[in-house]
Parts: sequence; C-alpha cells; structure tokens
Amino acid sequence: SQQGEEDPQALSIQEGENATMNCSYKTSINNLQWYRQNSGRGLVHLILIRSNEREKHSGRLRVTLDTSKKSSSLLITASRAADTASYFCATGAQGGSEKLVFGKGMKLTVNP
Amino acid sequence: NAGVTQTPKFQVLKTGQSMTLQCAQDMNHEYMSWYRQDPGMGLRLIHYSVGAGITDQGEVPNGYNVSRSTTEDFPLRLLSAAPSQTSVYFCASRTSGRSDEQFFGPGTRLTVL
Repeated sequence: SQQGEEDPQALSIQEGENATMNCSYKTSINNLQWYRQNSGRGLVHLILIRSNEREKHSGRLRVTLDTSKKSSSLLITASRAADTASYFCATGAQGGSEKLVFGKGMKLTVNP
Repeated sequence: NAGVTQTPKFQVLKTGQSMTLQCAQDMNHEYMSWYRQDPGMGLRLIHYSVGAGITDQGEVPNGYNVSRSTTEDFPLRLLSAAPSQTSVYFCASRTSGRSDEQFFGPGTRLTVL
C-alpha cells in the first residue's frame, strides 16, 4: 500500500515561479526521497533526506522534513519548462527494511 | 556504465502466454527490485533481491516469479499473463544499505490482450 501521498496531485505554473510539492506519510521512516519522471521514462533520483535531518539543498531544490507531522516538502525555485514532469516521494522505513514505498505522484507543468 | 537496462521496451502478449522481462545492471549493486506502474497508482513493488540467490516478495507478487543467479541480472517472469498485468514495468538497483538512492531502468510497456 502507498505510504506517501503527494499534494497537490497536479500543479501548473509559469516559468520562473517556484513550485512547492508536499508529501505526507504514515509510519516512522529512515529516510525520504524525491524522484522525477519525465513522460515515458524511468524515475530519476533527485534528493534524499534522512530522518535526523530537517532541511537539505541541491541546486534549485530544497527539501524539508518534519517527522513530527510526518510530512515533507520539495521546493523547486526559478522553475523551467524542463522541470515539467511527474514527481514522486518515496519512504524508506525504520528497522532495516530494504524496501522503498512510493507515493502516487504529482504532475508539474511549467509553462514557458 | 550503461546503468540499468531493460528489454524489451514494448511487448504485447495474449492471455495465458508466458514471458520474461530482462533487467541487467553494471554497477555491481547488491539490491535489485521490480515495480509496476499503473495510472493513478504510483509504483508498486513486485519482488526484490538483496543479493545473488536471495529474493523476496513485495506488495503485488502474485503472477510473477523472479530469480537472481548473478549480481548483474534480475529477470521477471510472467507465468500466465492476464489483462490485469497490463502495465509499465520498471527495474531498479542500488547499493546495499537501508533504502538509499535507487537507479531505474527505462521501463517495459506490457500489454496483455
């Protein structure tokens, strides 16, 4: 069953604007990851944040994690048309689980 | 490195036929997994392996078999295809360790008539 739930399910913005995506999950985690999927392609890893971290940056990406609220957000700053894709959060459970559990994903459209 | 490769890219089967989806990685990753992606469902784990000779079931294993005889290869077998198995299948790999970054193949789009 899905662990993460992305919100909103779809987002349409103009180039140059910031895009914020949220992910909520249900059980304790070891880490949370964000992936991007371009249409017809496989998933590409964007960023990983561990349960003892609160914020992480990678280029134009900023991810936050609030374990007390069981939620994460992914911010893409100064968006580009090339950022148009589906975005998924995935959680790795505590306790040594080898599995990642993915959310259903959200569709970001960046209009030029 | 080629990364994670999958063959075929597309496949059409008739109900009841069997086939094997191939997955290979050249990164010497211990962990490999198979997911299916259906519209509105995200990715669901079918089977995974933590090393050669070791496999385990994921969330939706029924109708699928796997084996891991080498570190590089992790084929997925459909025993008797059903229309409900129409989906896009992704193979992924990563190094050992708890749930770190996964590398995905390009996917196989399977249609069962």
